[in-house]
Amino acid sequence: KAGVTQTPRYLIKTRGQQVTLSCSPISGHRSVSWYQQTPGQGLQFLFEYFSETQRNKGNFPGRFSGRQFSNSRSEMNVSTLELGDSALYLCASSFGQGAPNTDTQYFGPGTRLTVL
Amino acid sequence: GENVEQHPSTLSVQEGDSAVIKCTYSDSASNYFPWYKQELGKRPQLIIDIRSNVGEKKDQRIAVTLNKTAKHFSLHITETQPEDSAVYFCAASIRGYSTLTFGKGTMLLVSP
Repeated sequence: KAGVTQTPRYLIKTRGQQVTLSCSPISGHRSVSWYQQTPGQGLQFLFEYFSETQRNKGNFPGRFSGRQFSNSRSEMNVSTLELGDSALYLCASSFGQGAPNTDTQYFGPGTRLTVL
Repeated sequence: GENVEQHPSTLSVQEGDSAVIKCTYSDSASNYFPWYKQELGKRPQLIIDIRSNVGEKKDQRIAVTLNKTAKHFSLHITETQPEDSAVYFCAASIRGYSTLTFGKGTMLLVSP
């Protein structure tokens, strides 16, 4: 079974621009969660989508948004980029249905975003 | 919300020694506790997880223990090998909610 994939793997943007990152979950997984990883703050939860609906949201400003498509693929968007948005953005997929052994999350390789 | 504290931040051991990493959590509703290993430049990989209905789980050289009363859980690695060198993250969540709260990570260095 193919793992979680993310595109692009690397991005360089300038302040004020916007960016869209993509995540394709493991086949059969309906939940996609997004995390921001930085050296200072570690891994922080951004939001989670399940069956095209945002189910949970972390403590990030409204510049961070996302969506999920009917095939469970997900995108996240960051508008008006700031220097502090430079980070590794990871997505993780799971079955997401709360039944035993369905909540295990598998991570993608991440998108490294650099904001200049 | 949930808060997860992880100690130590760095851990150096000799090959063959045991390593222990400890985490505490704040939300008594949390009932799912995974551990991830992240090698440099790679994605976090799940190495073991435990649910709150058990107190201990083992998988070869790796074990995790959970004390619900004290709200802490620990990762134990025995007979460490150089390839165990990586950053290890603990996390907590509530079953059915795909929201992991992570500890800050422990950099484990195993010297030959």
